[in-house]
Amino acid sequence: AQSVTQLDSHVSVSEGTPVLLRCNYSSSYSPSLFWYVQHPNKGLQLLLKYTSAATLVKGINGFEAEFKKSETSFHLTKPSAHMSDAAEYFCVVRVQGGGNKLTFGTGTQLKVEL
Amino acid sequence: DAMVIQNPRYQVTQFGKPVTLSCSQTLNHNVMYWYQQKSSQAPKLLFHYYDKDFNNEADTPDNFQSRRPNTSFCFLDIRSPGLGDAAMYLCATSSLPGEGKNIQYFGAGTRLSVL
Repeated sequence: AQSVTQLDSHVSVSEGTPVLLRCNYSSSYSPSLFWYVQHPNKGLQLLLKYTSAATLVKGINGFEAEFKKSETSFHLTKPSAHMSDAAEYFCVVRVQGGGNKLTFGTGTQLKVEL
Repeated sequence: DAMVIQNPRYQVTQFGKPVTLSCSQTLNHNVMYWYQQKSSQAPKLLFHYYDKDFNNEADTPDNFQSRRPNTSFCFLDIRSPGLGDAAMYLCATSSLPGEGKNIQYFGAGTRLSVL
């Protein structure tokens, strides 16, 4: 079965500094992986997705993620944090053989300080 | 320009009083999903529809039901809400598996309070 593990429940950065949100996956197949962002009291918005094309995936709002098979990782990064990036971030894997069902990580709360 | 629309955004109900949450979509997607998200937790899939084909998750309580009268609309019915059902309920849609991107698009959610 596919699963994702988000290694940090909370991450705090200063505005203008780099962001790193860590995610490791477990899958016996080549996985489809996603990062979603959720701002307070809002729905989930897709940041980016990996579906076995380029290993470096660029998303919206300056975010990107690199698929590393050797490390079973799909970490999310951004060179310079903005106050508006403060939100909950979910690493997600598509369930193999489950149609289009998704399995969510437990989330990482990103705090951005002045 | 909203593509997945959930109404209402906030819903308050009384313990044991039936409540219905609604979701509509303008994407013409075949698949619609309902998730429950409790505070500080990941979304949990309750059930989904492939067109009119209903698929319930094994651990979804019988208290939760759903209706999909047409492609655009889907409803979540909670027959007898308990205090533990207070949560954010998220609706999502996607195209059929194998039809391309298969991305799930989420609505803004309905936050349910149970008094």
